[in-house]
Amino acid sequence: EVQLLESGGGLVQPGGSLRLSCAASGLTVSNYAMSWVRQAPGKGLEWVSAISINGGVTYYADSVKGRFTVSRANSKNTVYLQMNSLRAEDTAVYYCAKARSTGLTKVYFDYWGQGTLVTVSS
Amino acid sequence: DIQMTQSPSTLSASEGDRVTITCRASQSISSWLAWYQQKAGRAPKLLIYKASSLESGVPSRFSGSGSGTEFTLTISSLQPDDFATYYCQQYNSYWTFGQGTKVEIK
Repeated sequence: EVQLLESGGGLVQPGGSLRLSCAASGLTVSNYAMSWVRQAPGKGLEWVSAISINGGVTYYADSVKGRFTVSRANSKNTVYLQMNSLRAEDTAVYYCAKARSTGLTKVYFDYWGQGTLVTVSS
Repeated sequence: DIQMTQSPSTLSASEGDRVTITCRASQSISSWLAWYQQKAGRAPKLLIYKASSLESGVPSRFSGSGSGTEFTLTISSLQPDDFATYYCQQYNSYWTFGQGTKVEIK
């Protein structure tokens, strides 16, 4: 059974940093592109970032570009999201999602983790 | 950027009803559209991809149609387990979600 388990969320002050992790089981992460999607409390889904199978290609939403960095450690079957210069509007549940294929073009997400809550507040 | 607009935002329906949700793209996305179901406190679940392809394990009462800029998700006979929020997502150019449609009990 495919499982994605996010961790690393919590309460952080504005301007602070957090690193989220997404550990996979039941699949080999190195075979798939991966993504992060977030959901602010009571709001809809917002795509945040995506990474190719070898980490050579990364994409970011304009709202996080220059502040967030996605990376992966295929040997650990894990994907990361480093979040710096956090703002109140970054408060959300962050989901890790697996792409259906190896590429980042014309691909949708077929498995999602349960999410980890990030709260940015003083 | 491609914008996705869903309608309605909320839909009240009864068990057994036929339900249709519409999703419009700000520019043509061919058939690069997915639909997800999300229940409160849970992760989204893939229902439909490439506008009309049913994901494995998803009940056949769910169906999708459309291409270009206008798409629909139809539930042929609403079941108790279907009361949830539904999102469309374009994946033609990066990824954008609609704002969601909450299907609630009438």
